[in-house]
Amino acid sequence: GAVVSQHPSRVICKSGTSVKIECRSLDFQATTMFWYRQFPKQSLMLMATSNEGSKATYEQGVEKDKFLINHASLTLSTLTVTSAHPEDSSFYICSARSDSHNSPLHFGNGTRLTVT
Amino acid sequence: LAKTTQPISMDSYEGQEVNITCSHNNIATNDYITWYQQFPSQGPRFIIQGYKTKVTNEVASLFIPADRKSSTLSLPRVSLSDTAVYYCLVGKEAAGNKLTFGGGTRVLVKP
Repeated sequence: GAVVSQHPSRVICKSGTSVKIECRSLDFQATTMFWYRQFPKQSLMLMATSNEGSKATYEQGVEKDKFLINHASLTLSTLTVTSAHPEDSSFYICSARSDSHNSPLHFGNGTRLTVT
Repeated sequence: LAKTTQPISMDSYEGQEVNITCSHNNIATNDYITWYQQFPSQGPRFIIQGYKTKVTNEVASLFIPADRKSSTLSLPRVSLSDTAVYYCLVGKEAAGNKLTFGGGTRVLVKP
């Protein structure tokens, strides 16, 4: 089945630094990937839609300059949390769907970001 | 995007059948219904998807009435490892169409 690999699985960084999270579709091509964040005991909140070769589309309330998304190839999207602060600590999850009809979303295993 | 409503939580016991109903009154003609399972600190995992009537796979069944305004995920003979959050999503099945998560149902399976 389709596999989405997300790296790193957890990261701890100091306030003010930037962190990059990678999302790869291992056995299929994904023109579109999605980035979510999830706080404890809450549902996934869609942050942005990452489009290969073009700018990402951000959901309302998500700062595009803080959460930089790059989708340089059909198998890789990256999310960079810039100038991270403790309130950015969260669980970040990416997902992708192959371009075939009726294909469901496949999710990465998430990245636990802790900003100290 | 069709909004979904699910019970917040459900308790069950090992070996029982668990049925989770999701309401999606505003479902559009081209929308599919997809259910995902999420364990703590993991990404959601696809369980089952359907458009109408009944769909069954090796882990679950999905029942969709004719009006498609609701759907029921059925988990037969649950075990402790089925304790998780279950999400019902409704949306168009095309690569670029985003799906929005509702609150999900927290299922606790007791011994």
